[in-house]
Amino acid sequence: GAGVSQSPRYKVAKRGQDVALRCDPISGHVSLFWYQQALGQGPEFLTYFQNEAQLDKSGLPSDRFFAERPEGSVSTLKIQRTQQEDSAVYLCASSNRRDNSPLHFGNGTRLTVT
Amino acid sequence: GENVEQHPSTLSVQEGDSAVIKCTYSDSASNYFPWYKQELGKRPQLIIDIRSNVGEKKDQRIAVTLNKTAKHFSLHITETQPEDSAVYFCAARGGADGLTFGKGTHLIIQP
Repeated sequence: GAGVSQSPRYKVAKRGQDVALRCDPISGHVSLFWYQQALGQGPEFLTYFQNEAQLDKSGLPSDRFFAERPEGSVSTLKIQRTQQEDSAVYLCASSNRRDNSPLHFGNGTRLTVT
Repeated sequence: GENVEQHPSTLSVQEGDSAVIKCTYSDSASNYFPWYKQELGKRPQLIIDIRSNVGEKKDQRIAVTLNKTAKHFSLHITETQPEDSAVYFCAARGGADGLTFGKGTHLIIQP
């Protein structure tokens, strides 16, 4: 079956532009996570949804970052007024288990802010 | 919150030799410890995981050990092959629902 799908695969934005990154989790997966992976680093937690409810957004680095999952399936991560330090790979992961193990990752969106 | 330390950052081994990557965690409530392999430009892929009620788990050439008392866990790869070359991440799940990742180990298999 299809895995976690993310789009676009690559995004180049000028500083100050808004971007929207999309995640299609595996069908039926209740849990959805967003992670940020800087070059040469491990993924860092941003936010977590269970169905449409955002249960944890403690990892969002600033109020320029916003995530939603209105129907409990597709999720969008929006970054307003992008800054150079936002350049990273944004990974989405989903799970169908109550204890969120294991997590299945998408290929990510590589965001470059110029 | 949870803090995961991973060593070494780079590991070079001869093809056929074993590789060991070590991680420590800080939250004694952590109960799930997966290992992910990430090739350049690709998604992290789960290769093995272990829960806190188990001390060791094996899957063919890969094994993971967990020492809850010392709060450390290790990945062991035997008979390494060129396709094992990648970045490996350990992770731990504590009281919160998300995983906390280590910074990764770049494993290089020398022919």
